[in-house]
Amino acid sequence: DAGVTQSPTHLIKTRGQQVTLRCSPKSGHDTVSWYQQALGQGPQFIFQYYEEEERQRGNFPDRFSGHQFPNYSSELNVNALLLGDSALYLCASSLLQGRAEAFFGQGTRLTVV
Amino acid sequence: DAKTTQPPSMDCAEGRAANLPCNHSTISGNEYVYWYRQIHSQGPQYIIHGLKNNETNEMASLIITEDRKSSTLILPHATLRDTAVYYCIVRTQPGNSGYALNFGKGTSLLVTP
Repeated sequence: DAGVTQSPTHLIKTRGQQVTLRCSPKSGHDTVSWYQQALGQGPQFIFQYYEEEERQRGNFPDRFSGHQFPNYSSELNVNALLLGDSALYLCASSLLQGRAEAFFGQGTRLTVV
Repeated sequence: DAKTTQPPSMDCAEGRAANLPCNHSTISGNEYVYWYRQIHSQGPQYIIHGLKNNETNEMASLIITEDRKSSTLILPHATLRDTAVYYCIVRTQPGNSGYALNFGKGTSLLVTP
């Protein structure tokens, strides 16, 4: 049973560019959440997708957007990259109701130069 | 969701019990205590959660005080592979409002030989 998979694992982008990160949830899970983790900090919630809609959002600007596909996979898009967007981006999958734990992927390390 | 307070770091000798404290003095009646850990360069991993009774699983035990204002995660026989950052999170049970996790800075546990 494959867990949560994220791609790519590492990425280098230039300030001002746009980036798309991808996530495939654990088999059977229908909800995907995205987190940003800066160096030395805990993960910060960006948003959550369920039934192809954004259901909950953290304190992140509109430059951060996402999408969920019918197969439950998800994309995180960041426009107009800033140096401060450099971080580990984590995807977590879960069932919206019922199960307690969220399963996290290994993350995508984004470096903005 | 209630705020939690954890010590920034702790040490534990291999084979001994690791007791990680968490203070959540503003917890309300419908809020659960969750523990996750993050081993270096990996995504967070669910450990255990509880409401008011003590809980035990194959990874750890969770002891919640009677007034629910604090809790302790116990790793009964710590190994070097338990070296990680441990996060204590307090939140309501996942439901229609989604499953955002509010990570703080956690406790960095170092298990030494």
